[in-house]
Amino acid sequence: DSGVTQTPKHLITATGQRVTLRCSPRSGDLSVYWYQQSLDQGLQFLIQYYNGEERAKGNILERFSAQQFPDLHSELNLSSLELGDSALYFCASSTSGQGAGETQYFGPGTRLLVL
Amino acid sequence: LAKTTQPISMDSYEGQEVNITCSHNNIATNDYITWYQQFPSQGPRFIIQGYKTKVTNEVASLFIPADRKSSTLSLPRVSLSDTAVYYCLVGRPHTGNQFYFGTGTSLTVIP
Repeated sequence: DSGVTQTPKHLITATGQRVTLRCSPRSGDLSVYWYQQSLDQGLQFLIQYYNGEERAKGNILERFSAQQFPDLHSELNLSSLELGDSALYFCASSTSGQGAGETQYFGPGTRLLVL
Repeated sequence: LAKTTQPISMDSYEGQEVNITCSHNNIATNDYITWYQQFPSQGPRFIIQGYKTKVTNEVASLFIPADRKSSTLSLPRVSLSDTAVYYCLVGRPHTGNQFYFGTGTSLTVIP
């Protein structure tokens, strides 16, 4: 158990809908990362937050947005969902997110299925 | 972007040492090299990290030559439970490229 929690575990929805994925980092961790993992694209970095502020951006679509709240939990919002958005979404956290030398601790993931 | 290249898959017998090499020709001065392990339907798990020369911990060793254009993850005496995908990451702080996982190497340990 990494100490990172994600809800829900599974999510089934229809195209065009909007969903929110939630992540609670390990106690004391200030940085949160979001990743998408689909069968044909591997693990893709989406976005990083540090203490409420966006720190780094990866291949995040404009239909997707995220935020980190004062209590440090984070939410990933996915809107206008398409079939291709079906994937495992992982959240990770780290102590400070200040350097590349930091270990990320991954949550169990949310499996999203868009029908 | 310091893109990495790894073998897509490898097989090994139980008890053998496994070496997985990652090429990163465009590695920059500030880039670190990090390896993660991922089991099916689970989040990746940190294995080891290094900047240069050799790093060893309780589960693996990481060998980095002087030019840092490649690195080798060494798993001693693998067991069936080491069957997983192994990712090599190369990147620098405060940029998205530090989190480029690539496709990884799928290691299968055979009894």
